[in-house]
Amino acid sequence: QVQLVQSGAEVKKPGASVKVSCKTSGYTFSSYYVSWVRQAPGQGLEWMGWMNPNNGDTGSPQKFQDRITMTRDTATTTAYMQLNSLKSGDTAVYYCARGGGYKYGHFDFWGQGTLVTVSS
Amino acid sequence: SYVLTQPPSVSVAPGQTARLTCGGNNIGMRSVQWYQQKPGQAPVEVIYYDSDRPSGIPERFSGSNSGNTATLTISRVEAGDEADYYCQVWDNGSDHPGVFGTGTKVTVL
Repeated sequence: QVQLVQSGAEVKKPGASVKVSCKTSGYTFSSYYVSWVRQAPGQGLEWMGWMNPNNGDTGSPQKFQDRITMTRDTATTTAYMQLNSLKSGDTAVYYCARGGGYKYGHFDFWGQGTLVTVSS
Repeated sequence: SYVLTQPPSVSVAPGQTARLTCGGNNIGMRSVQWYQQKPGQAPVEVIYYDSDRPSGIPERFSGSNSGNTATLTISRVEAGDEADYYCQVWDNGSDHPGVFGTGTKVTVL
């Protein structure tokens, strides 16, 4: 069965970086985009960007472009999201989600979420 | 950027029908997804491409989309349907293509 399993909770200081992993299984990793979505405490969902695991192409809104790096390891079918220059406003649960076989697919499977806390 | 507007809350008695709206400019021209999120859990897709249901989602969940409003309908509401529901579309070609609605909290009375 399709599974996306994320790394554990992180506590970071302002200005630091965090790298969240998303280990996938149960499907052909290279055939489906992976998106990252975050949710601040008590807030709604916010899309952060996508990655094409087939060739490593990525895309994200201007809001995150200077700070986000999305990569993958095809050997371990794992996707990664690194966010730099963390601020308190980045405190959130970060989710990876499997998209479709193209950029604009639907998110049919989600990771369990990774809580990132940014605090001095 | 494209904006999706959802009512903050909807209350419904068990066995009744809940209709959740998602407003956006000409949203009927886009494909809409709906995600259910229970407290402390990851979102779960309940409707994609306006009205398709993933396997395992009860037929009580249905979707429609026309004009400026998409609607998620939950028939014969059960206590287990209590959750936050988010609509989502793609704003192709924009700087911020992935767009989620503001979310609706469904309370089962």
